[in-house]
Amino acid sequence: DAGVIQSPRHEVTEMGQEVTLRCKPISGHNSLFWYRQTMMRGLELLIYFNNNVPIDDSGMPEDRFSAKMPNASFSTLKIQPSEPRDSAVYFCASSSGTVYGYTFGSGTRLTVV
Amino acid sequence: QKEVEQDPGPLSVPEGAIVSLNCTYSNSAFQYFMWYRQYSRKGPELLMYTYSSGNKEDGRFTAQVDKSSKYISLFIRDSQPSDSATYLCAMWNRDDKIIFGKGTRLHILP
Repeated sequence: DAGVIQSPRHEVTEMGQEVTLRCKPISGHNSLFWYRQTMMRGLELLIYFNNNVPIDDSGMPEDRFSAKMPNASFSTLKIQPSEPRDSAVYFCASSSGTVYGYTFGSGTRLTVV
Repeated sequence: QKEVEQDPGPLSVPEGAIVSLNCTYSNSAFQYFMWYRQYSRKGPELLMYTYSSGNKEDGRFTAQVDKSSKYISLFIRDSQPSDSATYLCAMWNRDDKIIFGKGTRLHILP
């Protein structure tokens, strides 16, 4: 298995632009998580899905952020409009709900200028 | 009080030293205790997990859980420069999502 695949690896965009981050979870995993990581705040859970249904989006910072999971093999995290304070590394992770925890992707490093 | 507290470091130790990394937590419902290792520009990877209290050893790594004190530790023996990474503790009670600490940055000096 290729693991959790995220794209793009790096994204530099101007303030006000729309940004879309993509994630392909591991086949057979029924849970998917979107995290944001910064030095100051560490790893923050933004939203997670179980069987493609959003379960908890309490970590989504504001209405500018939205996430979808149209099927079991694809999810997107969208920021519209983007702001410089959104600059961070965004991770997607998937899980089968076992003690082996979450498998993380390599992340998308987002820079908003 | 946050659910999981972890000193962010950085922690710098000479090669060959024993490293001790720690976390405290407040939710007594946690049953599984994990350590993730994150290399620079990579996602976190599960290093080892422990169920309930006690010790678990895997090579140079030992995880320790003291549920009575709500305190967990990771020990690294004979530390190597390749152990330089951020270590995140994580906790889970099967019915909910995993809760991560902020991570401790570790530098092993050659």
